[in-house]
Amino acid sequence: DTGVSQNPRHKITKRGQNVTFRCDPISEHNRLYWYRQTLGQGPEFLTYFQNEAQLEKSRLLSDRFSAERPKGSFSTLEIQRTEQGDSAMYLCASSQFGDPSPLHFGNGTRLTVT
Amino acid sequence: GDSVTQMEGPVTLSEEAFLTINCTYTATGYPSLFWYVQYPGEGLQLLLKATKADDKGSNKGFEATYRKETTSFHLEKGSVQVSDSAVYFCALRQNTGNQFYFGTGTSLTVIP
Repeated sequence: DTGVSQNPRHKITKRGQNVTFRCDPISEHNRLYWYRQTLGQGPEFLTYFQNEAQLEKSRLLSDRFSAERPKGSFSTLEIQRTEQGDSAMYLCASSQFGDPSPLHFGNGTRLTVT
Repeated sequence: GDSVTQMEGPVTLSEEAFLTINCTYTATGYPSLFWYVQYPGEGLQLLLKATKADDKGSNKGFEATYRKETTSFHLEKGSVQVSDSAVYFCALRQNTGNQFYFGTGTSLTVIP
């Protein structure tokens, strides 16, 4: 069990640029989640995959955000035309199928939009 | 909708003091409840969980009991250590859904 891996750890970008983050979940986990966390807040749900299918997406998620999990293994989260309000820690988590399987989090990608 | 409310921090305690971090939830049905901990510079880690009413989750000296009558899942530890300094998050997950709902976190600092 090597844990959930996220890359990069930090990303600084200028407003208007596109960014992409990668998440490698624990290998036997078929559920994958993306969360966003801002300072002083708890993780906020963005989207959820079961295998390669994106089953839920937060209604708060802008159309500028898109996530994929093409082969049911790693996942990418892309933010297009970044805005300063997108600055946050982006967390990936995975879990096994079955209830209530807890989440295993990666260390996150910190995005700063200047 | 489903939500979790945690006591606001920060909390500062002396080593060996008793810790309580309050957590209450709003949810329909019978969610599962969790406490996660985030140590400085690290990702969130599961601390303990409880899946039904009156269950007690425990780990590393921490305990929390699922109280359906008061919709609470308070975190307790009898004697805190400096190494317990971290941010603690209460969370719930509906057994019929996929989302986890997190509280805003409570920062704990333990001083020697």
